[in-house]
Amino acid sequence: KAGVTQTPRYLIKTRGQQVTLSCSPISGHRSVSWYQQTPGQGLQFLFEYFSETQRNKGNFPGRFSGRQFSNSRSEMNVSTLELGDSALYLCASSPGPPLTDTQYFGPGTRLTVL
Amino acid sequence: GESVGLHLPTLSVQEGDNSIINCAYSNSASDYFIWYKQESGKGPQFIIDIRSNMDKRQGQRVTVLLNKTVKHLSLQIAATQPGDSAVYFCAGVPNAGGTSYGKLTFGQGTILTVHP
Repeated sequence: KAGVTQTPRYLIKTRGQQVTLSCSPISGHRSVSWYQQTPGQGLQFLFEYFSETQRNKGNFPGRFSGRQFSNSRSEMNVSTLELGDSALYLCASSPGPPLTDTQYFGPGTRLTVL
Repeated sequence: GESVGLHLPTLSVQEGDNSIINCAYSNSASDYFIWYKQESGKGPQFIIDIRSNMDKRQGQRVTVLLNKTVKHLSLQIAATQPGDSAVYFCAGVPNAGGTSYGKLTFGQGTILTVHP
C-alpha cells in the first residue's frame, strides 16, 4: 500500500505571496492532519480534516487554511507569507473512526520564504 | 494543556548497545502515546504506540514502557544499529478517540547517534 504523498517536496516563495500544498493520504484513510515543523518550535499541529470537515484546529493565524476533498486528499494554503512561515509542512493520515489516533506521515514539503 | 518533553536532547551509543530514550508528559488525561523516528529529509515514521491501560508494549527490537504514576514513558531499542541513528519523538493524544481529532502533541525530540 502506498504511503502518504505530498507535493511539491520543495518550494521557494517570497514574502506576501501565497502557497498551496497538497497531500494524498494512504488509500482508505479518511482523516488527514497537518503539522508545521521548525527547529525552534518543533512539530506543531495545524488542523485535521475528516469527511471534508475541519474537526480540529491548532493555534495558528487565519492565514493558514485547509480543505479536504471527497477522495480524502487535502490541501493547505498559507496566504500573505511571512519569513517565519519557512518550515517543513507535514501531512499525516489515519484510518478514521474508531481508529483515529495512529497517524502516518508523509515526507513533507519544505517551504522557504525569502 | 498537554505538553510532552524529553529529558535529553542527544544520546550517543555504540553499535550493539541498548538505547533508552525518555519522555515526560504533563497531562494526566493523555491516554495514548506514540513514538516516531525521523531521519534527515524524511517525515516521522511510526515505531510503536501504547495506550494508558498498558505498562509495556514490545515490538521488533523496541519496547515502550509507560509509568502513569510519574507521567513518564521510555523507548528502549535493543542492539542498536547505525541505521537507528535519527531523531526520536514521543507524541501524546489527550482524550484519544474522543475530541482530540488528529491532534498529536510532540516533544522536542532526542537525537540518537549510533557509532559503529
